[in-house]
Amino acid sequence: ETGVTQTPRHLVMGMTNKKSLKCEQHLGHNAMYWYKQSAKKPLELMFVYNFKEQTENNSVPSRFSPECPNSSHLFLHLHTLQPEDSALYLCASSRPGLAGGPGANEQFFGPGTRLTVL
Amino acid sequence: KNQVEQSPQSLIILEGKNCTLQCNYTVSPFSNLRWYKQDTGRGPVSLTIMTFSENTKSNGRYTATLDADTKQSSLHITASQLSDSASYICVVTPANFGNEKLTFGTGTRLTIIP
Repeated sequence: ETGVTQTPRHLVMGMTNKKSLKCEQHLGHNAMYWYKQSAKKPLELMFVYNFKEQTENNSVPSRFSPECPNSSHLFLHLHTLQPEDSALYLCASSRPGLAGGPGANEQFFGPGTRLTVL
Repeated sequence: KNQVEQSPQSLIILEGKNCTLQCNYTVSPFSNLRWYKQDTGRGPVSLTIMTFSENTKSNGRYTATLDADTKQSSLHITASQLSDSASYICVVTPANFGNEKLTFGTGTRLTIIP
């Protein structure tokens, strides 16, 4: 168990639906991330939160809306998605600011939410 | 543009055999290079981490090597087991950025058959 949980594990939604993905980390980390993983493509960073503040928005369409109410919880709100948004959405957390050392920059990932948009 | 390329894209080997996965990167300078293992339906889990000054790092049957001059890394798996079936992802952290600028490879899909 990595200490990062995600719900739901699977989600099927229509293009007009509104749904939310939830991520929770129990590791005491202060940075949380959303990634999109599509088949045969590298993980794509979507959003980064450090100490509840969004520090990175990687040109993600506005139909994806993140929310970070505290350093342990992260949400991804979805609305009017497209079929090409179908993918595995991974949440991760880390301790920011660690420079060097074996634990530097290690991100701990959740199991992901498999999203299918019809 | 920083890139990480992995080969082969997929690999099938018999249980008990050894294999080596390759990672070539253009990220420079870099802080560290990690190999992650991602089981089907799970998130990636870190296997090894090497800084730019390290040449090799082992974790049980997994041994990673790094050649910073040629910008190549490899992951060698010894005496493979069925549980080694997974995707293996090479990840490089640029030296001048924080956690959010990790560069991921596309991964190698490894299948171990009995």
